[in-house]
Amino acid sequence: SQQGEEDPQALSIQEGENATMNCSYKTSINNLQWYRQNSGRGLVHLILIRSNEREKHSGRLRVTLDTSKKSSSLLITASRAADTASYFCATDAVSYGKLTFGQGTILTVHP
Amino acid sequence: GAVVSQHPSRVICKSGTSVKIECRSLDFQATTMFWYRQFPKQSLMLMATSNEGSKATYEQGVEKDKFLINHASLTLSTLTVTSAHPEDSSFYICSAAEDYTEAFFGQGTRLTVV
Repeated sequence: SQQGEEDPQALSIQEGENATMNCSYKTSINNLQWYRQNSGRGLVHLILIRSNEREKHSGRLRVTLDTSKKSSSLLITASRAADTASYFCATDAVSYGKLTFGQGTILTVHP
Repeated sequence: GAVVSQHPSRVICKSGTSVKIECRSLDFQATTMFWYRQFPKQSLMLMATSNEGSKATYEQGVEKDKFLINHASLTLSTLTVTSAHPEDSSFYICSAAEDYTEAFFGQGTRLTVV
């Protein structure tokens, strides 16, 4: 069964605005990863944050992890129309590589 | 990152036939490969974990006789959907990991059963 829940399920914003997506999970984890998926395509790995890390940055992406609340957030700053995609969090609890995905957030950025 | 190649990217087959999907690690030895399925507008669900040279471990609810997984070498795993039916139409995606490090995903295969 899915471990992660993400909210919002869908997010619609204007270009230039920030987008924040949240992910919650149920069990202890080794790491949490965020992926992007364009419609009908494969996964693009965005960022990995380990259980002993609290915040990580990569370009316009900022990820936080709160293991006490079992939650993570992905912030995309200064969004672009090209950021339009589905975003998934995935947790790795049992061993590296075996991932449990959240339900995903569909982000639409209007030009 | 490492490269995982999945083939074919799209396949259409007739109901009742079998389809084989290949997942290859191109520049590393994949001791473990994972197979996921994604229905339209849904998330990815793990189907099975395969370790080179041993039988695959299937997730609860996944029919092992219907979804045959073979991981005969350190660079290749195959998923065969046997006696496919329209309800098997889905996006299948593999990932591969070397010695329990980060897993890398293939491009996925869109299966349509008509």
